Amino acid sequence: DTGVSQDPRHKITKRGQNVTFRCDPISEHNRLYWYRQTLGQGPEFLTYFQNEAQLEKSRLLSDRFSAERPKGSFSTLEIQRTEQGDSAMYLCASSFPTDSYGYTFGSGTRLTVV
Amino acid sequence: QKEVEQNSGPLSVPEGAIASLNCTYSDRGSQSFFWYRQYSGKSPELIMSIYSNGDKEDGRFTAQLNKASQYVSLLIRDSQPSDSATYLCAVDTGRRALTFGSGTRLQVQP
Repeated sequence: DTGVSQDPRHKITKRGQNVTFRCDPISEHNRLYWYRQTLGQGPEFLTYFQNEAQLEKSRLLSDRFSAERPKGSFSTLEIQRTEQGDSAMYLCASSFPTDSYGYTFGSGTRLTVV
Repeated sequence: QKEVEQNSGPLSVPEGAIASLNCTYSDRGSQSFFWYRQYSGKSPELIMSIYSNGDKEDGRFTAQLNKASQYVSLLIRDSQPSDSATYLCAVDTGRRALTFGSGTRLQVQP
C-alpha cells in the first residue's frame, strides 16, 4: 500500500484522557501535515513537518496538542486532557517538498470525546 | 473575511447537466489552486490543480482560474449521481500549508 496510512480509524475516549494518533506518509513525500475537520467545515490546518522539522503550528494547536515526526518518517499527534470540543476527524496528509502538487490525505482518525 | 470562501450549497443539478462550483480567495499572492472531492465520511481526494489563468481540462472536469478577480471554479460536465459529494477548494498562498474552504455540497439528481 503506497498511500497515507492513519491509525486508529476511530477512537472514543473519555474527557480528560490522553490520546495519540499515528500517520505513515507516502515514503517519497518529505512533507507531512495534520489537519482537523469538523462536520460541515473544511480541513483546518494544525501543523506541518518537513522531514523531522516542525515548521509551523496553527494557533488552533493549544498546548494540549503536540506532534512529532522522529527521523522524518511517521508522525504522531497527541492530545492531552481531551475535551469534548476536540471531537473531530483528524486528517494527515503528505506531499512533495512544495505545495504545488497538492496533498494526498490518509483516511483520517475520527475522535469522539464523551 | 475568510481566506477561502465557497457557497455551502447544496447545489442540486439533474443527471447529465453541468455543475458549476465557485471559490473566491483573499490573498493576491496565492499561487496554486486545488479542487478536492470528499464523499461523506471519507477523506478529501485531489481531483484538479491549476496554476495559471485560464482553463484546465481533465476528462469531465474543467478548472478555471482568474487571478485578477481572485476566483477559481470547477465545472463538471455530464454530471453523474456518483459525483454527489462535497467539493473543497484549496489555495496555496506560499506562506505555509494549503488553506481550505468549507466546501460546496453537490447533489446530482438521477
